[in-house]
Amino acid sequence: QVQLQESGPGLVKPSETLSLTCTVSGGPISGYYWSWIRQPPGKGLEWIGYIYVSGRTDYHPSLKSRVTIAADTSKNQFSLKLSSVTAADTAVYYCARDLGGGDYWGQGTLVTVSS
Amino acid sequence: DIQMTQSPSSLSASVGDRVTITCRASQSISTYLNWYQQKSGKAPKLLIFAVSSLQSGVPSRFSGSGSGTDFTLTISSLQPEDFATYFCQQSYTTPRTFGQGTKVEI
Repeated sequence: QVQLQESGPGLVKPSETLSLTCTVSGGPISGYYWSWIRQPPGKGLEWIGYIYVSGRTDYHPSLKSRVTIAADTSKNQFSLKLSSVTAADTAVYYCARDLGGGDYWGQGTLVTVSS
Repeated sequence: DIQMTQSPSSLSASVGDRVTITCRASQSISTYLNWYQQKSGKAPKLLIFAVSSLQSGVPSRFSGSGSGTDFTLTISSLQPEDFATYFCQQSYTTPRTFGQGTKVEI
């Protein structure tokens, strides 16, 4: 059974960089697409981007200038960096496997942007 | 970006009711349409992929239909555990986009 677990700071200051890691267990990250998705409190779901472990990435156009997704196959992890954050980036951040549909998701981690 | 529009945004129903939620795409997405269920404080759960394929472990009372731009999720007989928010998502292209959600309430 594939399991995903997000980790990282729950509080980030405005203008700083949000950094999260998703650790995958129960299967390799190689050969799949892995996504980051976020959900502001009380709102809908927004796809941030994904990585295919060969190195191919694709990002939401509205976030592209601030987002980097990377993978570390030796640790079976992938990561998200979002720079120059503002209060609008406050959300629950999820990592998920993307097979067209997201069949495995992490539990999500709330990141609050506040000074 | 492909816009996904769900209706209704919320509905009230009773146990045993047949419930239908619709999702419309702003352009054709063929059959690249998925449905998720999300309960409060939990991650979304994939129910249906590729319009009508049931994810493993999902009860058969859930079904999906449609193609092109118009899609439907049907719950044939609503159960207490089905009260949740449902999202559609297109996986035809990136950026992946979601509907705004339909909250199913008692």
